[in-house]
Amino acid sequence: GQQLNQSPQSMFIQEGEDVSMNCTSSSIFNTWLWYKQDPGEGPVLLIALYKAGELTSNGRLTAQFGITRKDSFLNISASIPSDVGIYFCAGPISDRGSTLGRLYFGRGTQLTVWP
Amino acid sequence: DSGVTQTPKHLITATGQRVTLRCSPRSGDLSVYWYQQSLDQGLQFLIQYYNGEERAKGNILERFSAQQFPDLHSELNLSSLELGDSALYFCASSSQPGGSEQYFGPGTRLTVT
Repeated sequence: GQQLNQSPQSMFIQEGEDVSMNCTSSSIFNTWLWYKQDPGEGPVLLIALYKAGELTSNGRLTAQFGITRKDSFLNISASIPSDVGIYFCAGPISDRGSTLGRLYFGRGTQLTVWP
Repeated sequence: DSGVTQTPKHLITATGQRVTLRCSPRSGDLSVYWYQQSLDQGLQFLIQYYNGEERAKGNILERFSAQQFPDLHSELNLSSLELGDSALYFCASSSQPGGSEQYFGPGTRLTVT
């Protein structure tokens, strides 16, 4: 099946620092999604990307759809304690140009922010 | 709050038993997806329903089944439970059958003892 490789697996940063994480795939994706999951909660959709090269922001979060369509990046600027959680990249598979809906998820990047 | 509701929040049961997990999608969403999250496998797609019909199947065991009712709520039935079925089960919904933007519920934590 599809594999999405996320790195790094974990990050320990100080409040106020910027964060970068990425996700790569061996297959082309037509859509990239970034989710955040807090302990004991469901994943929350942060950003959706639909076009190669697209750069989209949501507050302090910025995500980019890689030109090759095989990768995506998420940046968090000026981190705060509530940014703590697991960040997942995800993408739907396509069949003959049609998005099938099921999402493949990376294994996540665990972010810890020290005050 | 995503608008997707799941019950129960926690479920503890014994091996061999059968349980039913329930999900109500966001208002207006016709697609419902079930995912399993475990430490070793991560988030794995199980099955999708769109407007009452099964649309896609993933890594769902034969002991598991699901359905979507006319009011669009969905149930995931897990039978002959094994210790390895202990996991978080999430329901997500979207407005389109191929909807990429899926909104997740809070999950049901299943513990099989």
